[in-house]
Amino acid sequence: DGGITQSPKYLFRKEGQNVTLSCEQNLNHDAMYWYRQDPGQGLRLIYYSQIVNDFQKGDIAEGYSVSREKKESFPLTVTSAQKNPTAFYLCASSIAGDYNEQFFGPGTRLTVL
Amino acid sequence: GENVEQHPSTLSVQEGDSAVIKCTYSDSASNYFPWYKQELGKGPQLIIDIRSNVGEKKDQRIAVTLNKTAKHFSLHITETQPEDSAVYFCAPEGGKLIFGQGTELSVKP
Repeated sequence: DGGITQSPKYLFRKEGQNVTLSCEQNLNHDAMYWYRQDPGQGLRLIYYSQIVNDFQKGDIAEGYSVSREKKESFPLTVTSAQKNPTAFYLCASSIAGDYNEQFFGPGTRLTVL
Repeated sequence: GENVEQHPSTLSVQEGDSAVIKCTYSDSASNYFPWYKQELGKGPQLIIDIRSNVGEKKDQRIAVTLNKTAKHFSLHITETQPEDSAVYFCAPEGGKLIFGQGTELSVKP
């Protein structure tokens, strides 16, 4: 089955701890994205990567970091510098270039206590 | 930057009725106009999209219409069914997707 997976589905962390969210795809897509979704709001872009070993900041990158060492994987670290990290995090992938469908994973709900 | 607004924010219809959701955007460079459906606890999924050289596109009960001059595009769902209940997002793209705030559609049986 081709698709995009995120783990875990639910994640709890204490304030001040860094936490890494996993995102893996086997669609052979070059581009990958991380979004944050808060209740009643649309998706906001955190980071995106168009190719391995390269990534760019989105609209709300502060307090987050990413790496793209493999085509299939794009992990997101939520650092202690992120002031309000509790949210639903969505990873997506697409073929490279503009105007292409993005395929989303099931999401990770992060709660910081 | 791009300013995207969706209306209405919530919509409740009876099964079998039609539903229309409108998306307005500000970036005249936008050339791609998708609609995504997000079911509870899941990631969004593309349901229909249109490119700027086309005014309307239909796929069974779903259609999208585009008015580039007025900078808005709309999602039309006919003969609604309970499984259409979800949150719908527009995401006009002029280089990157900018998502609207979402419309929560509720279809009552």
